[in-house]
Amino acid sequence: DAKTTQPPSMDCAEGRAANLPCNHSTISGNEYVYWYRQIHSQGPQYIIHGLKNNETNEMASLIITEDRKSSTLILPHATLRDTAVYYCIVRPTTSGTYKYIFGTGTRLMVLA
Amino acid sequence: GAGVSQSPSNKVTEKGKDVELRCDPISGHTALYWYRQRLGQGLEFLIYFQGNSAPDKSGLPSDRFSAERTGESVSTLTIQRTQQEDSAVYLCASSLGLWGTSYEQYFGPGTRLTVT
Repeated sequence: DAKTTQPPSMDCAEGRAANLPCNHSTISGNEYVYWYRQIHSQGPQYIIHGLKNNETNEMASLIITEDRKSSTLILPHATLRDTAVYYCIVRPTTSGTYKYIFGTGTRLMVLA
Repeated sequence: GAGVSQSPSNKVTEKGKDVELRCDPISGHTALYWYRQRLGQGLEFLIYFQGNSAPDKSGLPSDRFSAERTGESVSTLTIQRTQQEDSAVYLCASSLGLWGTSYEQYFGPGTRLTVT
């Protein structure tokens, strides 16, 4: 599986956009990028995923570079409730493994 | 609808005792996963089940760990002869399937295991 690297922590002012980077320089052509977040003392929550194209849903936007070696999760208007650990994960689209390999993620602190 | 549920929410046990952790997945979800999360760390994959296929046990850390799943319903993770290093939060997740958006995993609240 491709490894991902993320900054250990980031701060963001409430109401501003939070941009969380992820490096996945060894990603293969058949691997999706998934983002989850884990709010303190809860199980992880799915946010968004993508393969090549940028994606947007009600929670966030995902920007994937053209070479697919990195991506950015964007929370357009961060709130205090967005304070959490954000995990970037890659997994294959074809058979082989169905398990997520979680790293240590980015701890996002949204400040009032 | 109901999400993934786990029981107990907290378990304190003495070193050397066996423990059983239970996971009830979302109804209709064919895949079920177990993870371990030590304090301040990310999630470690332990095992997953998919329908009637043989489970992927590649993440189980030792033969003291085992898991079972009855059909596409409840799963039990058993840890025998618990050690202090087994102390962690054990998370269960389920997904509708294995491909595309059906692979989105829904996590339970976890069971916090403390081995004294």
